[in-house]
Amino acid sequence: DQQVKQNSPSLSVQEGRISILNCDYTNSMFDYFLWYKKYPAEGPTFLISISSIKDKNEDGRFTVFLNKSAKHLSLHIVPSQPGDSAVYFCAASSTGNQFYFGTGTSLTVIP
Amino acid sequence: GAGVSQTPSNKVTEKGKYVELRCDPISGHTALYWYRQSLGQGPEFLIYFQGTGAADDSGLPNDRFFAVRPEGSVSTLKIQRTERGDSAVYLCASSFRKGSTDTQYFGPGTRLTVL
Repeated sequence: DQQVKQNSPSLSVQEGRISILNCDYTNSMFDYFLWYKKYPAEGPTFLISISSIKDKNEDGRFTVFLNKSAKHLSLHIVPSQPGDSAVYFCAASSTGNQFYFGTGTSLTVIP
Repeated sequence: GAGVSQTPSNKVTEKGKYVELRCDPISGHTALYWYRQSLGQGPEFLIYFQGTGAADDSGLPNDRFFAVRPEGSVSTLKIQRTERGDSAVYLCASSFRKGSTDTQYFGPGTRLTVL
């Protein structure tokens, strides 16, 4: 039973444009959400997080939006760069407990 | 400083054999996590240690899987009587302390192939 879902397995975006990666969850007890980035043959690298008390968190080119009523979060990357090409995982947890990961979205930024 | 390291990077074994996978967390990190990532899936939680004790092993799929962290640092994931379905990348992560707001730093993983 997948509690965190990323329904787009892949996404291609032109360099300089915005990349929007989406994630849906089913467990209303989740109160902390993260995005990880993964390059081939490496472990996931933490990118950005958001707590359920906020609806937006921004860090440089990366912004995460949280819509609790829709149980949906998204990651915006603007402007997209070729080095952003990687697999992006969203993850969720209820405070103090294990993280649940989505299946990932492979982003390709075309130069 | 050094990140999380995992050895071996690749392990090929035959069905029915026993394997051990090692994780060296970041120095000073008290929390350690094991995940399994199958092809096309996200990391799936297996077990979590706080210090030397397994605080949550609810993700271990069955009793063939076992993990230890005897001195609160290095951890070993042990799989007995391996099956082809155990083939996956096994990821280890550590964080400074337990808590959902503490960033987990992942190692590069061990790719296990069971023939």
